[in-house]
Amino acid sequence: AQKVTQAQTEISVVEKEDVTLDCVYETRDTTYYLFWYKQPPSGELVFLIRRNSFDEQNEISGRYSWNFQKSTSSFNFTITASQVVDSAVYFCALSFFRGAGKSTFGDGTTLTVKP
Amino acid sequence: EAQVTQNPRYLITVTGKKLTVTCSQNMNHEYMSWYRQDPGLGLRQIYYSMNVEVTDKGDVPEGYKVSRKEKRNFPLILESPSPNQTSLYFCASSPPDRGHEQFFGPGTRLTVL
Repeated sequence: AQKVTQAQTEISVVEKEDVTLDCVYETRDTTYYLFWYKQPPSGELVFLIRRNSFDEQNEISGRYSWNFQKSTSSFNFTITASQVVDSAVYFCALSFFRGAGKSTFGDGTTLTVKP
Repeated sequence: EAQVTQNPRYLITVTGKKLTVTCSQNMNHEYMSWYRQDPGLGLRQIYYSMNVEVTDKGDVPEGYKVSRKEKRNFPLILESPSPNQTSLYFCASSPPDRGHEQFFGPGTRLTVL
C-alpha cells in the first residue's frame, strides 16, 4: 500500500515570507515517482514538479525549491518570498513503477498568503 | 490546443437517476483516470485506464463504472447516484511513460439531492 501525508492542513503567511510545505510518503516499492500539483482558487490542477526515486537532487525553479530525501521519505516544497498569487491548495502525489496509472494524493495543504 | 475536457461542468441531480460524466482528451494519451475531490480528503482515485478496454479500480470505485472503448474518451457512469457521491470530479490523462505527470480536466461539480 502507498500513502501520502501532508500534515499541514492550512498555512497562513504574510507576503514575502518563506514557507515550506511538508510531504511524507510511504511505499514498499523501490521505484516510484513523486509530484507536486497546485490548485489555485479558480479550481484547475496545475503540475509543478516530478521526481523519481533515483533522483535525490534538489531542484530550484525561480522562487520554488524542492527537497527530496529518501532517508526520511519526504519531498518538501519551499516557496521563497511568497506572493499573494501563491495562495492555493498544494497536493503532493505518489505513483509507482509497477502500478502504472495508479496514483495516491495527499489531502492537500491550503496556503494563504496575505498582503 | 492540448486539453482534457469534461462535460457537464456542473450537474444537480436526484438520488437514483443514472448519469454519465464525459471525459475526452486530444493528446493521444494512453493513461486516463477519474478522481473525486472532497474537502479535507484530497483527490482520491476512482478508476484508471491504461489503454482501450483496460481499466482497473482505484481507491474508491464503489458506486461508479467506467468504460474505455476509444482512446480519447473515458466516461464515468453513476448508475444510481446517492448523496454521498456529491463531490468535485476530475478526469486526467497522461502518456504511457511511467511517472509522467497527469493533465487534468477542469472538473465537474456534482450535487446529488
